[in-house]
Amino acid sequence: NAGVTQTPKFRILKIGQSMTLQCTQDMNHNYMYWYRQDPGMGLKLIYYSVGAGITDKGEVPNGYNVSRSTTEDFPLRLELAAPSQTSVYFCASSYQNTEAFFGQGTRLTVV
Amino acid sequence: GDSVTQMEGPVTLSEEAFLTINCTYTATGYPSLFWYVQYPGEGLQLLLKATKADDKGSNKGFEATYRKETTSFHLEKGSVQVSDSAVYFCALESGFQKLVFGTGTRLLVSP
Repeated sequence: NAGVTQTPKFRILKIGQSMTLQCTQDMNHNYMYWYRQDPGMGLKLIYYSVGAGITDKGEVPNGYNVSRSTTEDFPLRLELAAPSQTSVYFCASSYQNTEAFFGQGTRLTVV
Repeated sequence: GDSVTQMEGPVTLSEEAFLTINCTYTATGYPSLFWYVQYPGEGLQLLLKATKADDKGSNKGFEATYRKETTSFHLEKGSVQVSDSAVYFCALESGFQKLVFGTGTRLLVSP
């Protein structure tokens, strides 16, 4: 059972480039989330989804977009990368009223 | 809005010492409370949780009690091991299993 899988694990982007962080889960969870973790800070919620076709903004959505076309996948899109988006990104999933399971993270550096 | 405050680290202890990591929260209502642990290079894992006042969560020798009167959820362990070295995050659930995290506390245990 793979759980929550994120790709890539590491990436360096130049300012203005775009990329998609992939996240897939095989637990049939209806809820999925994207968080970012900055040094010395807790995780902040970027976007979340309560089911296929439904997404909503979290605390720090600016500069990101998401889609949820299937239960399993929840990609995060950066359109115009900025240095402020240098961070570690975590995808997570859960059922209603259960714990969240996290992926291993994607470390992104924008230079 | 909802928030979590936890003690700054690093917390440096010798093996078999007693551990306390303080956590207080601000929220409307009585949210579920969690402690997550992050080992180096890995994603977050649920350590323990409590869903209502006076509940005690416990796992792997760690304990935390949901204190409504003091809005606290302090993490304790009677005898830490080197393998407990990690970053510990206190969090509360803010609807749809969205999590609001504290800034994290790094624990370093020496032999």
